[in-house]
Amino acid sequence: QQQVKQSPQSLIVQKGGISIINCAYENTAFDYFPWYQQFPGKGPALLIAIRPDVSEKKEGRFTISFNKSAKQFSLHIMDSQPGDSATYFCAASRGAGNMLTFGGGTRLMVKP
Amino acid sequence: GAVVSQHPSWVICKSGTSVKIECRSLDFQATTMFWYRQFPKQSLMLMATSNEGSKATYEQGVEKDKFLINHASLTLSTLTVTSAHPEDSSFYICSAKDSYTGELFFGEGSRLTVL
Repeated sequence: QQQVKQSPQSLIVQKGGISIINCAYENTAFDYFPWYQQFPGKGPALLIAIRPDVSEKKEGRFTISFNKSAKQFSLHIMDSQPGDSATYFCAASRGAGNMLTFGGGTRLMVKP
Repeated sequence: GAVVSQHPSWVICKSGTSVKIECRSLDFQATTMFWYRQFPKQSLMLMATSNEGSKATYEQGVEKDKFLINHASLTLSTLTVTSAHPEDSSFYICSAKDSYTGELFFGEGSRLTVL
C-alpha cells in the first residue's frame, strides 16, 4: 500500500518559472513531512521539512504548503534554475528522524 | 553538516557471491540506521531498521537471511547481500539518525551490480 502519493511523475519547467510538486498521504499518524532532492547516482539530500502545526514554510526559493484537512502538501520552487533539475521526493514519518515513507518521486527538468 | 559515509560507492560481483556494504556516521553517534533500496527510476523502499546492539527490524517482503544487517557500534552498520543474484542489482542507501539531535542524514548510496 502506497501511503504517500506524489505527482506529477515528471515535470518540465522553463528557467525562472515555478515548479510545483504535490503529495498526498493516508496515515494520519504522520507528523513530519520532508522533501528531498536527489541527483543521479547520489543519495537524497534534505531540502525542507514541515510539521502539521503550520500551513506554510519557506526557505529561500523553496516553499512547502501543507493542508492538514486534505492530507496534502506541496513543494513550490520559485525562480527555477537548470541546476534544480533533479528528482524530488516527498516523504512522511511519525516524528522527525524516524523511518520515512517516500512518495514515488518527480523528475524535474528546468530548461534554460 | 553531519556526514554519512557509505563504502563501497559501487561494486560489481558475480552471481552467488556475497557483498558487504558499510554505512558510517562520521561525526555523530547513531543508535538507529535505516537501509533503503532504490531501483532505477523508482523511489526509495525501506528494507530494514538497524539498531545498535540488537537485531534489525525488516520490512515485509525483505528476506532477513539474504540481507544481513549488523549494527555493532554507534557509528557503523553493515548490510551484507548473501548469495547475490542479478535481481539484487540496485542502489542501496543508508540513513543514520543522530542519537542526540534526532536529525536524519543520508549516505551517498552504494551501487551494486551482480553479473
